[in-house]
Amino acid sequence: ELKVEQNPLFLSMQEGKNYTIYCNYSTTSDRLYWYRQDPGKSLESLFVLLSNGAVKQEGRLMASLDTKARLSTLHITAAVHDLSATYFCAVDKLGFGNEKLTFGTGTRLTIIP
Amino acid sequence: DTGVSQDPRHKITKRGQNVTFRCDPISEHNRLYWYRQTLGQGPEFLTYFQNEAQLEKSRLLSDRFSAERPKGSFSTLEIQRTEQGDSAMYLCASSLKRNEQFFGPGTRLTVL
Repeated sequence: ELKVEQNPLFLSMQEGKNYTIYCNYSTTSDRLYWYRQDPGKSLESLFVLLSNGAVKQEGRLMASLDTKARLSTLHITAAVHDLSATYFCAVDKLGFGNEKLTFGTGTRLTIIP
Repeated sequence: DTGVSQDPRHKITKRGQNVTFRCDPISEHNRLYWYRQTLGQGPEFLTYFQNEAQLEKSRLLSDRFSAERPKGSFSTLEIQRTEQGDSAMYLCASSLKRNEQFFGPGTRLTVL
């Protein structure tokens, strides 16, 4: 059974600092996703990573994927208050019976002014 | 707006009542997924359709839950004899074939 773990579960950081969220998954997967969720809202897609060594950046967020280590990271640079949210990673594995996303437990990020 | 839509956005019901949620996917998307998210947790897969065929159901989908997609367009998720443990956000997503899933705004269910 595919399992996805994130750490930390909670992260409180000051504006202007850098930090990294980690996502480990238990078996080989085809795609890795990062989502953002604001309280009471749905999921906003941030990144889709497809291959080993993939790196994508959008503003202050950068995601990377190491398929050999089954590890993805979401790096936050010079955090600002607007980035406060819960971040989820998710993976899927193409093939009959696996056509679904398996999510991590999420990292609740709070940026302190 | 051509995104995934869900109705209602909020539902409060008493234990033992039946509820039904609707999801309208992005047009042309042939796959439709249902997920459930409880407070403080990540979404968990419930079931998915390819066109009108229900291809996979999670063990989370007890006999009280039923989902349909009769014409391969919108889908409904019905919960019979609701229990307090059914309180959650129910998320719908759609995709074109095996491409990226796009999520709707969710239906928040509260069972009193």
